[in-house]
Amino acid sequence: QVQLQESGPGLVKPSETLSLTCTVSGGSISDYYWSWIRQPPGQGLEWIAYIYYNGYTNYNPSLKSRVTMSVDTSKNQFSLKLSSVTAADTAVYFCARGRIPASGSYMHDSWGQGTLVTVSS
Amino acid sequence: SSELTQDPALSVALGQTVKITCQGDSLRTYYATWYQQKPGQAPVVVMYGRNSRPSGIPDRFSGSSSGNTASLTITGTQAEDEADYYCSSRDISDNHVLFGGGTKLTVL
Repeated sequence: QVQLQESGPGLVKPSETLSLTCTVSGGSISDYYWSWIRQPPGQGLEWIAYIYYNGYTNYNPSLKSRVTMSVDTSKNQFSLKLSSVTAADTAVYFCARGRIPASGSYMHDSWGQGTLVTVSS
Repeated sequence: SSELTQDPALSVALGQTVKITCQGDSLRTYYATWYQQKPGQAPVVVMYGRNSRPSGIPDRFSGSSSGNTASLTITGTQAEDEADYYCSSRDISDNHVLFGGGTKLTVL
């Protein structure tokens, strides 16, 4: 059973860069998509980006200018950097494993517990 | 890019049937994936593909799709089904991941 665990600072100052890492255990990082998804307090889910194990990335166009994802297959980890943060970036950030079943759509079948990141001075 | 639209809230009497819908152009090409999220927890897949349930999801959950609308039906709703439900799909033009705004389901 694969498990995902987010790690990183819970408090980030405005205009700085939010950095999070997701560690995958119980399975290989290969052959899957790996996403970051966030949820502002009391609001819905917003997909941020995904990275394929080979390094291919796809970013939400609304965040693309500020987002960078990377993957380290040797450590079974992938990471998120979100620059120039504001209070609007305050949210629970989830990492999740994605795959494309025969239906062709995305399916995030394993999630981390989520980590709350607050943007405040 | 494409969007997915859901009713913000629905209510259902205990034991009755409820249909949660999701509309969007991408659903003409791709089936929806449905997630259930309870307070303080990560989302869990309850339905994907044409009508597939992950292991452990009760068979009272079923899915369907017609045109630009996907539906998640809960037959014989239980108290533990009270949760937020999100649909998700794949943008047909750029392969982005799409989420609907979510439906808060209340079981009366």
